Amino acid sequence: GMPVEQNPPALSLYEGAESGLRCNFSTTMKGVQWFQQNHRGRLITLFYLAQGTKENGRLKSTFNSKERYSTLHIKDAQLEDSGTYFCAVESNNYAQGLTFGLGTRVSVFP
Amino acid sequence: NAGVIQTPRHKVTGKGQEATLWCEPISGHSAVFWYRQTIVQGLEFLTYFRNQAPIDDSGMPKERFSAQMPNQSHSTLKIQSTQPQDSAVYLCASSLSGGDNQAPLFGEGTRLSVL
Repeated sequence: GMPVEQNPPALSLYEGAESGLRCNFSTTMKGVQWFQQNHRGRLITLFYLAQGTKENGRLKSTFNSKERYSTLHIKDAQLEDSGTYFCAVESNNYAQGLTFGLGTRVSVFP
Repeated sequence: NAGVIQTPRHKVTGKGQEATLWCEPISGHSAVFWYRQTIVQGLEFLTYFRNQAPIDDSGMPKERFSAQMPNQSHSTLKIQSTQPQDSAVYLCASSLSGGDNQAPLFGEGTRLSVL
């Protein structure tokens, strides 16, 4: 199967709500990155984690290499949070590039 | 800083024609990556340069696809004899060195449509 699985495939939120996205990997990975793809198609880096938890404003991400998953939590959702969120994992050989999940499409409604 | 610049934004070619996609990485970034995005396959790694040298092209289709980085200010992805299945958004990214903790910054991509 896919080495990187993202759930859910789609998520609808009202402004002010909070929710979580999950990324599961089939093997142990060195690091994980989370991106938001905006309406213009640009991938915006949100987090890079080699371990533990990082927080930036209303977003928080965790990475558990041993259990092979990562999460992205959105708090107090805003309209500009709409977009597709991708996790991408980094193998021990960075030269192999990143392996992306299929993404979670997030829609925030007023 | 305009970020990673990709041109053209959209390209339409006929089956069998050649397509060349351009990427200008962020000034000072020595690592350049190419990815392809389709609905079915999602985002796929194609190739990676560091200091203009090809490091890994394991994601590149063996036939018809080639990438070059003739100088530090641009990279090209060339597809010969394009086929409808080559239709995708091709994304370029750059990072400072391509090593650990160097999250790549992406361009907006080139949407290639092969008719």
